[in-house]
Amino acid sequence: QVQLQESGPGLVKPSETLSLTCTVSGGSLDKYYWSWFRQPPRKGLEWIGYIYYSGTTKKYSPSLNSRVTISVDSSRNLLSLRLTSVTAADTAFYFCARVEYFTGDGFDIWGQGTLVSVSS
Amino acid sequence: QSGLTQAPSTSGTPGQRITISCSGSTSNIGSNAVSWYQQVPGTAPRLLIYSTNLRPSGVPDRFSGSKSGTSASLAISGLQSEDETDYICAAWDDSLNVVLFGGGTKLAVL
Repeated sequence: QVQLQESGPGLVKPSETLSLTCTVSGGSLDKYYWSWFRQPPRKGLEWIGYIYYSGTTKKYSPSLNSRVTISVDSSRNLLSLRLTSVTAADTAFYFCARVEYFTGDGFDIWGQGTLVSVSS
Repeated sequence: QSGLTQAPSTSGTPGQRITISCSGSTSNIGSNAVSWYQQVPGTAPRLLIYSTNLRPSGVPDRFSGSKSGTSASLAISGLQSEDETDYICAAWDDSLNVVLFGGGTKLAVL
């Protein structure tokens, strides 16, 4: 059974770069699209972007496009997220998830999420 | 960016059938598939419905989805106490080029 696990620093200083990884276990990245989402405490979900397992196709939310990079390392079954120049508004639970075909629909497996706080 | 619109809360009694609505526009629900997620606060969303009306394996057939025009609905029949949590709709938006989410509807089972 495929499982996803996010990991990374729980605290990032303002203006610095947030870096998270999502480890895929029980399966591989192959033939799926992989997305990152975030959810500020007690607020709604926000899609950050996606990448195809081969790394050949990526799409980011226009509101975050200038600051975000999503990458994959298939040899290590890893998905990564980098978000630069963070502010308090980037404080949120960050989730990774997979979908077979990217239509924005049907993300069937999610990681448990990791809370990242932006504070000095 | 504006999201999809859901009522903040709803309630039902055990055994009852309830529906949760999600309102959007022609650029999202009106032209794309809708997903529904169940989320216990502080945990990851769980996929309940995809492609507007399909259930992943393991989701009880008490849960069903539909849409009409620019609105979608999640129906839960035979309401159980374990259904008391948050329900969130989602759809791709062709104009904004993002996955849009609703704000979530908190279901209370009285």
